[in-house]
Amino acid sequence: EDQVTQSPEALRLQEGESSSLNCSYTVSGLRGLFWYRQDPGKGPEFLFTLYSAGEEKEKERLKATLTKKESFLHITAPKPEDSATYLCAVLILGYGNKLVFGAGTILRVKS
Amino acid sequence: DAGVTQSPTHLIKTRGQQVTLRCSPKSGHDTVSWYQQALGQGPQFIFQYYEEEERQRGNFPDRFSGHQFPNYSSELNVNALLLGDSALYLCASSLNAPYEAFFGQGTRLTVV
Repeated sequence: EDQVTQSPEALRLQEGESSSLNCSYTVSGLRGLFWYRQDPGKGPEFLFTLYSAGEEKEKERLKATLTKKESFLHITAPKPEDSATYLCAVLILGYGNKLVFGAGTILRVKS
Repeated sequence: DAGVTQSPTHLIKTRGQQVTLRCSPKSGHDTVSWYQQALGQGPQFIFQYYEEEERQRGNFPDRFSGHQFPNYSSELNVNALLLGDSALYLCASSLNAPYEAFFGQGTRLTVV
């Protein structure tokens, strides 16, 4: 069964305290891995897509990396406005395009 | 570009009723997917529409059905509502390839 696990479930950081979120996956065939940011009561906001092991992408204070079994979202010098739930999803190989999501990591950044 | 738009934003229904949710995809996108997100969980795939046909379906009962129109907009219908159907329903649009899904703001459905 295709499975995506995110850790930690929740993370509290002080402003400027860098850290990483983890997304590990067990899937039948990976076509891509997505990271989204979700604010309370809103839809997920697209951040990155990674397609192959070794690939890295950056956007402002965020950097996503991908290995054969997991992905990391590195947050450098976070600010309070980075507080949100970060969702990881894998695109499964097969007919159609189905995303399988993890449960997310709730990030709180305090000033 | 308005992005992905969903209507209504909030809805309260009684158990046993039927509901229709609507989605307009991002300009230029031809594929629409629907997801259900329960509180504290990640979104779960319901189904995907492409070229007005259901292309793939997740583990949801037949009470969940949908439609895609020639202008690529889509509807999600849920019959015989249960209390457990209360959730945030998300629509995602994309091109068929390459696949990068953009989500709407969601419809919060409460079944009482």
